[in-house]
Amino acid sequence: DAGVTQSPTHLIKTRGQQVTLRCSPISGHKSVSWYQQVLGQGPQFIFQYYEKEERGRGNFPDRFSARQFPNYSSELNVNALLLGDSALYLCASSLPGELFFGEGSRLTVL
Amino acid sequence: DQQVKQNSPSLSVQEGRISILNCDYTNSMFDYFLWYKKYPAEGPTFLISISSIKDKNEDGRFTVFLNKSAKHLSLHIVPSQPGDSAVYFCAASADGGTSYGKLTFGQGTILTVHP
Repeated sequence: DAGVTQSPTHLIKTRGQQVTLRCSPISGHKSVSWYQQVLGQGPQFIFQYYEKEERGRGNFPDRFSARQFPNYSSELNVNALLLGDSALYLCASSLPGELFFGEGSRLTVL
Repeated sequence: DQQVKQNSPSLSVQEGRISILNCDYTNSMFDYFLWYKKYPAEGPTFLISISSIKDKNEDGRFTVFLNKSAKHLSLHIVPSQPGDSAVYFCAASADGGTSYGKLTFGQGTILTVHP
């Protein structure tokens, strides 16, 4: 069975640009969450979507947005990139009590 | 405001010995706790969890202990193996594990198991 898949795996952007990250959950999972992991820190919750509706939002600026599609895949968008947005962005699909993470998208902002 | 804290950035253990990783939390609403392991270039992998109605949960070499009065939990790995070398994250939920994805993570502890 395919796990959580994310694309792209690595990308480099410059300050002020916009980025879109994509995630496909495990088949049958209807919930997708996004996390940001800065080097040396634990993952920080950004968004949670369930059945295409936003169920939770972490303490991130409005430059961060997301959506979930009818097939339960999801996109995370970040506008007006800052150097501090450089991080590993993790997508997770979930069952009650457990998150299954993808390998992440490593974003570098120059 | 760090609601979940792992105060030891790293831990080094000899193969065959016990590894004890610690985690403290401040939010009294947390009622479900999880441990994840992360290798470089991979996403975190679920290890073991515990509900606040229990004080111990065991799964093979892994045991998690919860002390609610102290707001402290620990992960014991016995015996430790070189393949256990990874970053370990403690995480907490305020919805009894049914939050469908909203967890608060600690900073992580790098475990190194020497042969």
